[in-house]
Amino acid sequence: DAGITQSPRHKVTETGTPVTLRCHQTENHRYMYWYRQDPGHGLRLIHYSYGVKDTDKGEVSDGYSVSRSKTEDFLLTLESATSSQTSVYFCAISVRTGEASGYTFGSGTRLTVV
Amino acid sequence: TQLLEQSPQFLSIQEGENLTVYCNSSSVFSSLQWYRQEPGEGPVLLVTVVTGGEVKKLKRLTFQFGDARKDSSLHITAAQPGDTGLYLCAGLTGGGNKLTFGTGTQLKVEL
Repeated sequence: DAGITQSPRHKVTETGTPVTLRCHQTENHRYMYWYRQDPGHGLRLIHYSYGVKDTDKGEVSDGYSVSRSKTEDFLLTLESATSSQTSVYFCAISVRTGEASGYTFGSGTRLTVV
Repeated sequence: TQLLEQSPQFLSIQEGENLTVYCNSSSVFSSLQWYRQEPGEGPVLLVTVVTGGEVKKLKRLTFQFGDARKDSSLHITAAQPGDTGLYLCAGLTGGGNKLTFGTGTQLKVEL
């Protein structure tokens, strides 16, 4: 199984503070993704990466930035956290590409902005 | 934005009953995936269907991809409490290997 870990698992932060979430994979997969999951909205794509230093925006990218300086790490940063960014954040890797693709997800980070 | 509508949103049934979950879109997808998610965990891939009209079976779960590749269904036969969870469909869009997820169906199977 592809190894993918997210840290931290839980975080409470104050409005206006910067927050960085980390996603780490162990198997050199090219594609990595950040999603947020909210009731009534399902999973929505924030940003994704298709290689080191190659990233692109997803559906809900405003207020978020990402970086990928190494294949194994994909960081999501909230520059100035807002209450609307309270959510559960999931990182995923694509273990296959093309039509037969499938994602492996991390266990998520529950972020609360107070 | 390509939307995937799932129905029903919530389903509570007794052990042994059958059920079907639907995933519909106005968009064509190159493939359709189904995931199951338990509380506090990330979604886990159950199946990928690629060809229009394709049917795949996974023990008591049967997945079908619509002929036009715009919709899919998940049928569970003789549901068990272990089937309880959030079921998500996801369609593969173009570049970036990106998935668009449906809003999910929360299934509860009671003894």
